[in-house]
Amino acid sequence: GALVYQYPRRTICKSGTSMRMECQAVGFQATSVAWYRQSPQKTFELIALSTVNSAIKYEQNFTQEKFPISHPNLSFSSMTVLNAYLEDRGLYLCGARGDWGDEQYFGPGTRLTVL
Amino acid sequence: GDSVTQKQGQVTLSEDDFLFINCTYSTTTYPTLLWYVQYPGQGPQLLLKVTTANNKGISRGFEATYDKGTTSFHLQKASVQESDSAVYFCALALYQGGRALIFGTGTTVSVSP
Repeated sequence: GALVYQYPRRTICKSGTSMRMECQAVGFQATSVAWYRQSPQKTFELIALSTVNSAIKYEQNFTQEKFPISHPNLSFSSMTVLNAYLEDRGLYLCGARGDWGDEQYFGPGTRLTVL
Repeated sequence: GDSVTQKQGQVTLSEDDFLFINCTYSTTTYPTLLWYVQYPGQGPQLLLKVTTANNKGISRGFEATYDKGTTSFHLQKASVQESDSAVYFCALALYQGGRALIFGTGTTVSVSP
């Protein structure tokens, strides 16, 4: 089956510091990877969509300068939160899509706490 | 613009009750419609999907029908169990133009034994 792993599951960083999170697709080739942030109220914000052989597309209010993403191959993606502040807190989810359909498969998320 | 609406924020049921979660969508294209379920401490899991080709999705006793006329994709289950307690999200897949999934705001289902 299609599995997605995310690391770390939880992280705490001081305000103004940066942290990197990883996403690994296992059992399939992730032709696209989307990064989301989920609020405590459970709403999703799409941060960016990375598709193989295309430029990474960031949504409004999210920039490459703040959330740089790497998608070097069909099984791995990473995102860094630079200069994290309180408003960056939340559960960061990675959704990977294979080449057989439109659905995404999600990892368990990386929960970011900023002190 | 493209959007998904789930009006019910919370649904409280007893075991063996009928579950119905409302979902409507708005888009100018022909999307794939999805339902995800999220348990505490986990990421969303795909529950079922429906495309314009197959109109109805069924999985684990859950069922959803793609109704283009009413632009709805309601989720239902005839008899819920306590283990169905979770947050349920309706979503659109719109990959044209570089979009990803558009999620509804979620419906928290609580089932008591």
